[in-house]
This record gives sequence, structure tokens and C-alpha cells, in this order.
Amino acid sequence: AQSVTQLGSHVSVSEGALVLLRCNYSSSVPPYLFWYVQYPNQGLQLLLKYTSAATLVKGINGFEAEFKKSETSFHLTKPSAHMSDAAEYFCAVSDMNTGNQFYFGTGTSLTVIP
Amino acid sequence: NAGVTQTPKFRVLKTGQSMTLLCAQDMNHEYMYWYRQDPGMGLRLIHYSVGEGTTAKGEVPDGYNVSRLKKQNFLLGLESAAPSQTSVYFCASSYTGIIEAFFGQGTRLTVV
Repeated sequence: AQSVTQLGSHVSVSEGALVLLRCNYSSSVPPYLFWYVQYPNQGLQLLLKYTSAATLVKGINGFEAEFKKSETSFHLTKPSAHMSDAAEYFCAVSDMNTGNQFYFGTGTSLTVIP
Repeated sequence: NAGVTQTPKFRVLKTGQSMTLLCAQDMNHEYMYWYRQDPGMGLRLIHYSVGEGTTAKGEVPDGYNVSRLKKQNFLLGLESAAPSQTSVYFCASSYTGIIEAFFGQGTRLTVV
């Protein structure tokens, strides 16, 4: 069965520091991978997605993620954190065997310290 | 561009009452989903639909029913609300069911 594991339910970084949010997935076939961001009292917004093209994916707001098949990982990074990056981040997976469903991780809450 | 619209945005119910949450999408998507979000548990799929007139159970379907009479609308019903159904509910839609889901703004439901 497909699943997503996000290591660290809470991550704190200083403003200007590197942001690294971890995501590992399980899938028996090539996956499609996503990172979503949720600001307080809002819905989920797509940050970026991997759909079997380039393994390094660039998204909005300076975020990027690298698909590593050997490590079954899709970690999210941003070189320099900004106060506006404080939010909840969700990793998700889908593939041809998920029955047209998306499987989400439990989320990582990012705090940016001024 | 409305995208995915959920109605209502907030609701307080008494235990045993019923209600229907409406999700509407204007992107001509085949696939629609209802999730609930609870602290520390991420998003859990309640029910989903792969096209007009179809519905299927997700991970946590008990206590909920759904209908997809029109392609653009996906309704989530609570027949007899329980405090355990206090949650934030999100509707989402997707063109292919594989590449990208678009989310509504959520409905915050409290059952007292």
C-alpha cells in the first residue's frame, strides 16, 4: 500500500536559515509526489510536484524538492527561510495503483524564528 | 476563477443533528474527494468519486454519506452528528486522480 512519512511534526528555523522538511514514501510503481502548503485557516495550496520528469523540482516561493528513488525520498528545501514561510506542509503521493487517490503525510509545522 | 468552493465555512451542530456539506468545482474535474483534517493525523480520506453518479469509500467513511448527482458537485452528509466528527473538512478535485488535487478552503465543523 502507498504511504507517506514526514519526519518531524514540528520544525523551527531561524529567519534566513536553510529549510529542510523530510518526506519518505512507499510505492510499488513510479510515484507522483507533491508538496502542499497550508497557511492558518486556509486550504491546501500546491507548492510543487514531481511527475517523472526532472528529479529536481522547483516550486513557488523559492522551494524545491529532489526525487531520490534509491532513498524513496522527496525532501523539501528552501535556501533561506522567510517569516512568511511559517505554515503547515504536507507531502503526498499518488500512482497508477492508488485507485485515483492521493495519500498524505501527517504534516510538518514550520516555525520561523526572527 | 472560483476553483473549488465549499459551503458552509463554519458550522456548529448539536449531537444527533444532521447536515450536508456542499462542494462545487468549476474545472470540469472527474475526481472529487472529501477529507477530514485532525491535529497530528494529517488528511484522511472519507469518500471519493471518480465521476458523476459514482462514489467510493475512503479510509474513514463511517458516519458519513456522499452523493455526486452532478459532475460539478460533491455532497457530504452527516446523518447523526457525533462529537468525534468535530474536524475541519476539505473537499478536493482532480482531473486525472493522479496528477494534482485542488482544494477548497475548508469547513470547520464543531459538534457539541
